[in-house]
Amino acid sequence: QQQVKQSPQSLIVQKGGISIINCAYENTAFDYFPWYQQFPGKGPALLIAIRPDVSEKKEGRFTISFNKSAKQFSLHIMDSQPGDSATYFCAASKPSGYALNFGKGTSLLVTP
Amino acid sequence: EAEVAQSPRYKITEKSQAVAFWCDPISGHATLYWYRQILGQGPELLVQFQDESVVDDSQLPKDRFSAERLKGVDSTLKIQPAELGDSAMYLCASSSPAGGTEQYFGPGTRLTVT
Repeated sequence: QQQVKQSPQSLIVQKGGISIINCAYENTAFDYFPWYQQFPGKGPALLIAIRPDVSEKKEGRFTISFNKSAKQFSLHIMDSQPGDSATYFCAASKPSGYALNFGKGTSLLVTP
Repeated sequence: EAEVAQSPRYKITEKSQAVAFWCDPISGHATLYWYRQILGQGPELLVQFQDESVVDDSQLPKDRFSAERLKGVDSTLKIQPAELGDSAMYLCASSSPAGGTEQYFGPGTRLTVT
């Protein structure tokens, strides 16, 4: 079954706006939560990741917010740019090298 | 910057034929993963290696899929015979103990079965 649920399936944001993608998980053994960006025909590229000991992590325009009690985490893309148009996947894994469990992805389109 | 290499990038094969994919992980990465990504969905694990040993192949359709990593470096994933439902992107990823849980993906092999 899908261990990580991601929403929305697609998202359209104007240039300069904020893009928000949400994910939820059930397995409390998960302790690593990355976000990947994928362009058509390419492999996923690691964007940013968080562990449950912090509630927020920011790298440039990308921020992960993490709510351990709700078992939810989200990606915020500030000042969204047309070049950010891609598919974004959240994922989760158990400690130390376990495989990633991916969400179904969100197709983001940033309009000029 | 070190990258995961995969070949071929694209493969078209007929149903019932054999097909093989190759992956060379980032140098020094002991853990290697093969994922399958169906169009419009997230990647799903097929098999995971730690050095030359299989750690998890619970989702690998073993009647037709096989994977090996003989010297603990590069890896080959084989499908025989291919079926129409095998059309997907096959992704290889690697991670190292020193790097923790971060997984780095290759460009993938797009397989089309006709």
